[in-house]
Amino acid sequence: HLMQSGPRLVKPSETLSLICTVSGGSISSSSYYWGWVRQPPGKGLEWIGTVFHDGSSYYNPSLNSRVTISVDTSRNDFSLNLRSVTAADTAVYYCAGSMNFNWFDPWGQGSLVTVPS
Amino acid sequence: QSVLTQPPSVSGAPGQRVTISCSGSNSNIGAPYDVHWYQHLPGTAPKLLIYDNNNRPSGVPDRFSGSRSGTSASLAISGLQAEDEADYYCQSYDSGLSGSVFGGGTKVTVL
Repeated sequence: HLMQSGPRLVKPSETLSLICTVSGGSISSSSYYWGWVRQPPGKGLEWIGTVFHDGSSYYNPSLNSRVTISVDTSRNDFSLNLRSVTAADTAVYYCAGSMNFNWFDPWGQGSLVTVPS
Repeated sequence: QSVLTQPPSVSGAPGQRVTISCSGSNSNIGAPYDVHWYQHLPGTAPKLLIYDNNNRPSGVPDRFSGSRSGTSASLAISGLQAEDEADYYCQSYDSGLSGSVFGGGTKVTVL
């Protein structure tokens, strides 16, 4: 089970920060990667990035310069930081587990984050 | 523009069979990397429908089936039901991008 938390309103040029807490299992599982996916209003799903419990991270090239995904094994959670946001970053953000960096399951509940224009 | 190409919409009458295509390239589906499918209802998180091209997670009806051939994949829904009205996304891995890629999504309408 994944539970997301974080601010729902972020000002332009500031940093969007979300946390995804993993329950019912260890974030240090050898088979699981952990990722973030977003859906802007009226658009499709977009992969943001994926992290492994050892800290290895992989990002969408279109967001690579602004995004950091990190893992905290002591708290069993992982986080998303997206810097210098604009209105184009307004979206529903989902966290998800990814078996061997393949499919995404389970998913968090989703968080609508709004960046006013 | 998405790396994986899906038709924007498909429709069918209750009981009919519909298919959704997902077209990629030699850096993703054709590599070959596995294809996965999700059902997405408004206001909810996406639900894994098919993994590794043609496998159904526990609880997914056998009306849903997937296949992959060359640089394309497809999702079939047989015995279409009103509850199947949703958006459907394909997803794979792309070696050029070194990460996951999604299709643009297909809206299924039950007539």
